[in-house]
Amino acid sequence: QVHLVQSGPEVKKPGASVRVSCKASGYSFSDYFIHWVRQAPGQGLEWLGLINPSGDATHYAQKFQGRLTLTRDSSTNTVYMEMRSLRYDDTARYYCTPLSATDDYWGQGTLVTVSS
Amino acid sequence: QSALTQPRSVSGSRGQSVTISCTGTSSDVGGYNYVYWYQQHPGKAPRLIIYDVSQRPSGVPGRFSGSKSGNTASLTISGLQPDDEADYYCYSYAGGYNRVFGTGTTVTVL
Repeated sequence: QVHLVQSGPEVKKPGASVRVSCKASGYSFSDYFIHWVRQAPGQGLEWLGLINPSGDATHYAQKFQGRLTLTRDSSTNTVYMEMRSLRYDDTARYYCTPLSATDDYWGQGTLVTVSS
Repeated sequence: QSALTQPRSVSGSRGQSVTISCTGTSSDVGGYNYVYWYQQHPGKAPRLIIYDVSQRPSGVPGRFSGSKSGNTASLTISGLQPDDEADYYCYSYAGGYNRVFGTGTTVTVL
């Protein structure tokens, strides 16, 4: 059975950074692109970016370029999302997912709250 | 990359049909047969219900169908059921490594 387990909720001050992890069990990240998607409270889904199977290539939505970094650790089957220079409107639940037709798996989401 | 445009809400009585539109451009929806639809119930992660414009994953009822014409994709839910009350999002490939979601539509079963 496949599980994508994300790290716990975070509360950060404006201007800080946050790192969220996503660990897979029963599923090998090394075969798939992994995407990150976020959802602000009461709002829609927003695509942030992706990391390739080998972890040596990433692509970010234009609005996050320069603030977002995706990495993966194949030895632990874990991918990471780091966002810097956090703003109040970065408050959202962040999901990892393959966004694949054959692998519709999602982490439980990590709530990141930006508050002073 | 701008979000794809969806109506904010649609509603229908139990047993009726509703259709949700998803309008993009020739750089995303219109340029590729790579439109997905997700269903999201409150407090839950999204669930894939249509991929590649009109294909249904196993386990998704045949009441859900997808289509595309030009820069607009559509999701039709036939024979509305109470459990269909949820938010629905379209999603499209947008060239290169880009992806984009729609603005989301809330379906209400009257």
